[in-house]
Amino acid sequence: DTEVTQTPKHLVMGMTNKKSLKCEQHMGHRAMYWYKQKAKKPPELMFVYSYEKLSINESVPSRFSPECPNSSLLNLHLHALQPEDSALYLCASSQSSGTVQETQYFGPGTRLLVL
Amino acid sequence: AQKVTQAQTEISVVEKEDVTLDCVYETRDTTYYLFWYKQPPSGELVFLIRRNSFDEQNEISGRYSWNFQKSTSSFNFTITASQVVDSAVYFCALSDYNSKLTFGKGITLSVRP
Repeated sequence: DTEVTQTPKHLVMGMTNKKSLKCEQHMGHRAMYWYKQKAKKPPELMFVYSYEKLSINESVPSRFSPECPNSSLLNLHLHALQPEDSALYLCASSQSSGTVQETQYFGPGTRLLVL
Repeated sequence: AQKVTQAQTEISVVEKEDVTLDCVYETRDTTYYLFWYKQPPSGELVFLIRRNSFDEQNEISGRYSWNFQKSTSSFNFTITASQVVDSAVYFCALSDYNSKLTFGKGITLSVRP
């Protein structure tokens, strides 16, 4: 069974707040991903971690700060966000990255609202 | 650059109808993988199928079937005897050698009772 969990499910924050999104997978995968998805749009890749090291940053603003404490956990630290950052944030994992055949398994997402 | 086109944006059918979701892709790679994901209103993207560029066999899984045609760069998805629970947004995606997915814009399927 695939299982990627994300907390919290919903988050409301002000523009001066600092918050964190958490993601955990128990599939022994070594690659983890953060995506941002606006309503009625496909997911957009933000970051990729491979073997706990940041391998891809899709030019994401520094107010988003990823962290991978170990191969099962992925955090996204949020600071000084803007209302346009309101979106569904999805975490995914795959066995590894850097190859064409990896299947990414997604978590249920965190719906973020920035006021 | 890779591209995935899902020309249909919204489809509405009545329960028990068959429905086909179209996906056309562009890539210069000779080896590539195609995926379909389902996103119900809850938000989670659910993996449905992965198909590599060398395997043109059609695949059937219960009420779901996929038709991969390299000659037309298409990877279409058919739901037979649709059910209300099939209502969701369906994304077709193409992977590259960095494991990055290029998604289509998605097709919103509504199945009415």
